[in-house]
Amino acid sequence: NAGVTQTPKFRILKIGQSMTLQCTQDMNHNYMYWYRQDPGMGLKLIYYSVGAGITDKGEVPNGYNVSRSTTEDFPLRLELAAPSQTSVYFCASRSRDGSLADTQYFGPGTRLTVL
Amino acid sequence: QKEVEQDPGPLSVPEGAIVSLNCTYSNSAFQYFMWYRQYSRKGPELLMYTYSSGNKEDGRFTAQVDKSSKYISLFIRDSQPSDSATYLCAMSAKGAGRRALTFGSGTRLQVQP
Repeated sequence: NAGVTQTPKFRILKIGQSMTLQCTQDMNHNYMYWYRQDPGMGLKLIYYSVGAGITDKGEVPNGYNVSRSTTEDFPLRLELAAPSQTSVYFCASRSRDGSLADTQYFGPGTRLTVL
Repeated sequence: QKEVEQDPGPLSVPEGAIVSLNCTYSNSAFQYFMWYRQYSRKGPELLMYTYSSGNKEDGRFTAQVDKSSKYISLFIRDSQPSDSATYLCAMSAKGAGRRALTFGSGTRLQVQP
């Protein structure tokens, strides 16, 4: 299993540009998450999904959109990029059931800079 | 006030030392407590998981939860240079609250050889 994969690893955007961060998991997990991590600030939840077709806002959703058309994929869309969106973005997934239902598996992250 | 408070460090210790990492929280609904380890430029990975109060030991790592004080700890015995990383505490509530984790800001640990 590859686990959680994210593309791209790095990206530089100009203010006002748009892009999609890709996230795929091959563990058949129901739950998927998008976080951003700013230096010294921990992880902040942007959006999450409890299954295909179902998404919900997290703590910091403004400026982002998500979709979940399949169990495996959970892309994050940035519209009209702003410097405040410069961050490292992590995708995560977890199983709904079982003894490790609270374990989130993280991808390697996408480092985004908006200039 | 943040829901979860964690000293950012950095915490620098000599190899072989006992390390104590801590988090305090304000939400009494939290029932599930985790410690994640994050190496530089990598995603976090689960290190320890505890449900409700008590201790849990796994090799050199011990996690403690004191719900009455809203305080959790991670102890690392015989610390190694390979333990140098950022340690993030995380927690969640039952039911719908279990869907998402609330993270601390992380403590950066450096173990000097």
